[in-house]
Amino acid sequence: EDQVTQSPEALRLQEGESSSLNCSYTVSGLRGLFWYRQDPGKGPEFLFTLYSAGEEKEKERLKATLTKKESFLHITAPKPEDSATYLCAVQGWKEAGSYQLTFGKGTKLSVIP
Amino acid sequence: DGGITQSPKYLFRKEGQNVTLSCEQNLNHDAMYWYRQDPGQGLRLIYYSQIVNDFQKGDIAEGYSVSREKKESFPLTVTSAQKNPTAFYLCASSTQRGGTDTQYFGPGTRLTVL
Repeated sequence: EDQVTQSPEALRLQEGESSSLNCSYTVSGLRGLFWYRQDPGKGPEFLFTLYSAGEEKEKERLKATLTKKESFLHITAPKPEDSATYLCAVQGWKEAGSYQLTFGKGTKLSVIP
Repeated sequence: DGGITQSPKYLFRKEGQNVTLSCEQNLNHDAMYWYRQDPGQGLRLIYYSQIVNDFQKGDIAEGYSVSREKKESFPLTVTSAQKNPTAFYLCASSTQRGGTDTQYFGPGTRLTVL
């Protein structure tokens, strides 16, 4: 059974204070690891897909990295508008034609001005 | 603009009622999904459909039903058999072409049982 654990559950940062969010996973053959951002009362917004260990992707102040056991979402010099819940999900190789995602519980990020 | 729409945004249900949540996409995606989100829990898969007129149960299908009569539409019915239906419901879609498949989400429907 695929599992995803995100830490910390909540993180408060001062504006400009860089930090990282962790996503640890176990999966029977990784097809892809996904990061989403979710604002309160809204649907998740897709950020990144990572496919293999060593891969990195960047978007504005966010950088996602992947190893064989975990992924990190690095936030550089965050701004208050980066406040949101960040969700991690994995897609493993299952029976033919199945592309199910397994989600973690998320990390709630608050950036204080 | 291409995207996924869900309606209504808020829905209230009385005990013993069935209610239907709408999900429509104009992204020409083959696959569609329904998830449930509860506070402090990860998204949990209710049902998914990879092709018209076919759908599969997810991890928590009991008390729910779906149909997929058109590629663009995947409505979810929450039946009276669902004991704790109060939650945030999310619909997603994806192309399901190639080795990895990115799911894109709609804005969600918040269902409350009165």
